[in-house]
Amino acid sequence: DGGITQSPKYLFRKEGQNVTLSCEQNLNHDAMYWYRQDPGQGLRLIYYSQIVNDFQKGDIAEGYSVSREKKESFPLTVTSAQKNPTAFYLCASSTLAGEETQYFGPGTRLLVL
Amino acid sequence: DAKTTQPNSMESNEEEPVHLPCNHSTISGTDYIHWYRQLPSQGPEYVIHGLTSNVNNRMASLAIAEDRKSSTLILHRATLRDAAVYYCILRDGSNYQLIWGAGTKLIIKP
Repeated sequence: DGGITQSPKYLFRKEGQNVTLSCEQNLNHDAMYWYRQDPGQGLRLIYYSQIVNDFQKGDIAEGYSVSREKKESFPLTVTSAQKNPTAFYLCASSTLAGEETQYFGPGTRLLVL
Repeated sequence: DAKTTQPNSMESNEEEPVHLPCNHSTISGTDYIHWYRQLPSQGPEYVIHGLTSNVNNRMASLAIAEDRKSSTLILHRATLRDAAVYYCILRDGSNYQLIWGAGTKLIIKP
């Protein structure tokens, strides 16, 4: 089955620690996205990538980093510079052409110990 | 960035039609109107999208006002599984980003 997988489902971070969230897609989509969602709120864009080895900052990129070495993979690192990382993180992908419906993974919930 | 305004929550009875409104008075001519829905602790799911004309698919219908300043998502016969947060979103025509609001929580009463 084609789709997007995210792991882990839950992740715990200690103070001062960097953690990496995984996102993999087998939809052959060129574009991939990372969003953050806080309770009761909509999604906010962290980073997006339209092609391998290229990515752009979204609205709330500070304290996060990404890489796009393969078309299928777009990992997100939450660095120690992100002072309030507790949130639900969602990865999505889309084609570039046309109206570009985004397909979402199941999400990773990050909690700070 | 153009933004959308939706009611915080709505209630409807099972097996009745549901009309979810969305205002987007600052929409630009190249912005598409997208609707997604999200169940608790899950990723959003695409519902429907359109530009100017009304659209239908197996999940819902999208009615777009002639001036494009508002739109309505129509669920023709709501079921308990349709209970979710529904997001009305504008897709930025210049950089393909989706601009998300807080959405409408739809409550379906049996």
